Amino acid sequence: RKEVEQDPGPFNVPEGATVAFNCTYSNSASQSFFWYRQDCRKEPKLLMSVYSSGNEDGRFTAQLNRASQYISLLIRDSKLSDSATYLCVVSGYSGAGSYQLTFGKGTKLSVIP
Amino acid sequence: DAGITQSPRHKVTETGTPVTLRCHQTENHRYMYWYRQDPGHGLRLIHYSYGVKDTDKGEVSDGYSVSRSKTEDFLLTLESATSSQTSVYFCAIRGGLGTDTQYFGPGTRLTVL
Repeated sequence: RKEVEQDPGPFNVPEGATVAFNCTYSNSASQSFFWYRQDCRKEPKLLMSVYSSGNEDGRFTAQLNRASQYISLLIRDSKLSDSATYLCVVSGYSGAGSYQLTFGKGTKLSVIP
Repeated sequence: DAGITQSPRHKVTETGTPVTLRCHQTENHRYMYWYRQDPGHGLRLIHYSYGVKDTDKGEVSDGYSVSRSKTEDFLLTLESATSSQTSVYFCAIRGGLGTDTQYFGPGTRLTVL
């Protein structure tokens, strides 16, 4: 079975802290990797794609280790507005030209004043 | 904003009644998806469509059917709703050629009594 595993948290951190989320996936044929953010009672929204070379978007840094099948997300200088659930998402080809996403259950982050 | 709307946004119904949820997109995307989200689970794929009248089953398709008679509309039907189908339902579109990123609608919160 194709799975994506995340620490469910919650992670409670003070403003300004650095926090790291980890994720492992079981399907070695996975092709694309993402972090989505989901606010309470809202839809998931793409935070960033994850590349093997690592990529950064402002305070957010994502890393991918294909050999270990491991994905990470680092948030620096946490803001109150970063409070949300972070979903690790992996994409794999499922036939008929279609790619399907497999979602982790999410890691909940609460940034405390 | 990916131009995706869902209707209704909230619905309460009784066991055994048929229910149809609608997903509408304005950007002519070929691929559309229906997911459900439940506590303790990641988002799980119900059905997806890769074109008008072209659909396929996902991980949790039992009890659900779909139809896509126009590019912009993807309908999810619960033929005879059960309490186990109480959930939040999200529609998504694939971002376009060369990407497997998905963008989500605002969700429909369905309660089956």
